[in-house]
Amino acid sequence: GIQVEQSPPDLILQEGANSTLRCNFSDSVNNLQWFHQNPWGQLINLFYIPSGTKQNGRLSATTVATERYSLLYISSSQTTDSGVYFCAVFYNQGGKLIFGQGTELSVKP
Amino acid sequence: ETGVTQSPTHLIKTRGQQVTLRCSSQSGHNTVSWYQQALGQGPQFIFQYYREEENGRGNFPPRFSGLQFPNYSSELNVNALELDDSALYLCASRLAPANRETQYFGPGTRLLVL
Repeated sequence: GIQVEQSPPDLILQEGANSTLRCNFSDSVNNLQWFHQNPWGQLINLFYIPSGTKQNGRLSATTVATERYSLLYISSSQTTDSGVYFCAVFYNQGGKLIFGQGTELSVKP
Repeated sequence: ETGVTQSPTHLIKTRGQQVTLRCSSQSGHNTVSWYQQALGQGPQFIFQYYREEENGRGNFPPRFSGLQFPNYSSELNVNALELDDSALYLCASRLAPANRETQYFGPGTRLLVL
C-alpha cells in the first residue's frame, strides 16, 4: 500500500520564525490534504491540494505530484500554531485516507 | 467548526464490554468514515459508509462494526473491548465518496478501556 512519510517529526520554533514541513508519498495520488490537530484532538482542514500551490494567510502549501511530495509553509509563526500537522492522501479504493505520522510543532513565546 | 458532531466526548469502559459511538455528518454529506487514533500516531481508517452500506474497510477485526442511518448520521460499535482499543475515535464526513472530495472531521470521542 501507499506510504506517507512526514518530516521533521518534531519542531520547536520561536514566535515569529518561519518553517517548512514536508510530506513524501510513495505512489501517485489524486487527493492530498493537510490538517492541523489542536491540543483537544480536533483535526482542522488547512488545504486540499493534490497539485500546485495554495495560500491562506500565513500558511501556504505546494504539492509536486510528479515528484511525490508536498510542503507546508508556516510564516511568522504564533503560539496558536502549536499542535500536530498531518498530511493525508487518498488510497484509490474504499475511501481510505492514509495519514502520515505527523509533525509536532511547538511555538515558544 | 466543521459541522460534524460526535458523542460522547469521553468514555471509560472495562475490558470485554461493548461501546457505541455516534456521529452526525455535516449537512448534505452522504459519506461518513471512521478513524482510530492511538496516542502519538496518525489516524487509522476503520471503515466508510455510503448510502447506509459499508463500502470500504481498513485492517480492523469484525468486532468493529458500524451503521449509517437515512439522515446520514452514523454509529461505530466495538464489541469485546480490549485494552488496545483505548484511543481517540474520529468521524469524518464528505459530500460524496469520490476521492476528490474533502473530508471534514468531528472533534472525536476519547475512549479509555481499563
